[in-house]
Amino acid sequence: GQNIDQPTEMTATEGAIVQINCTYQTSGFNGLFWYQQHAGEAPTFLSYNVLDGLEEKGRFSSFLSRSKGYSYLLLKELQMKDSASYLCAVIGYSGGGADGLTFGKGTHLIIQP
Amino acid sequence: GAGVSQSPSNKVTEKGKDVELRCDPISGHTALYWYRQSLGQGLEFLIYFQGNSAPDKSGLPSDRFSAERTGGSVSTLTIQRTQQEDSAVYLCASSLGGRKGLTEAFFGQGTRLTVV
Repeated sequence: GQNIDQPTEMTATEGAIVQINCTYQTSGFNGLFWYQQHAGEAPTFLSYNVLDGLEEKGRFSSFLSRSKGYSYLLLKELQMKDSASYLCAVIGYSGGGADGLTFGKGTHLIIQP
Repeated sequence: GAGVSQSPSNKVTEKGKDVELRCDPISGHTALYWYRQSLGQGLEFLIYFQGNSAPDKSGLPSDRFSAERTGGSVSTLTIQRTQQEDSAVYLCASSLGGRKGLTEAFFGQGTRLTVV
């Protein structure tokens, strides 16, 4: 089985930096994804990590440590439009093939002026 | 089409009736997922299709729920004898998949199901 934990809600200030953590326990590991979901909309892909280290993409970066079962999403120069839920998701591996993409419950990020 | 298409976008049904939700994945995507999202909640995994392999049905909440994928493309999620707790947004996603499913999933806009 897979267990994914992330904080329920975080608050940050416009222009600042925020780090959203995700810990996971899976039967095998084939990659970790971060998605953004605005209220009433479908999730959209942000980043993918399969090897340890930091992946940077503009204002967003994602970090992975496989040995610790840990990832974080770093958002810089926060903008009001970054107010959304951020979903951590993992693909496991159970020998017969890749498991389905399993999501955490999401972190609701509130950006204040 | 360019993206994942789901229909209907909204469905209101009476308790006890059966409903069918449709998903058209992105052409060429071998992996297809169904999730359920209740208001303010996370994504609950329902079922996963990968190519011609047997689907992973481990997330289906009861035997009232079933899904099929015909010809490796379109998928239908069927809920029989709907209950009020089935009310949620049902999201479909597809990805290139492959043996290890390492590519990102693209989501449809979902079907909002309301059982009255």
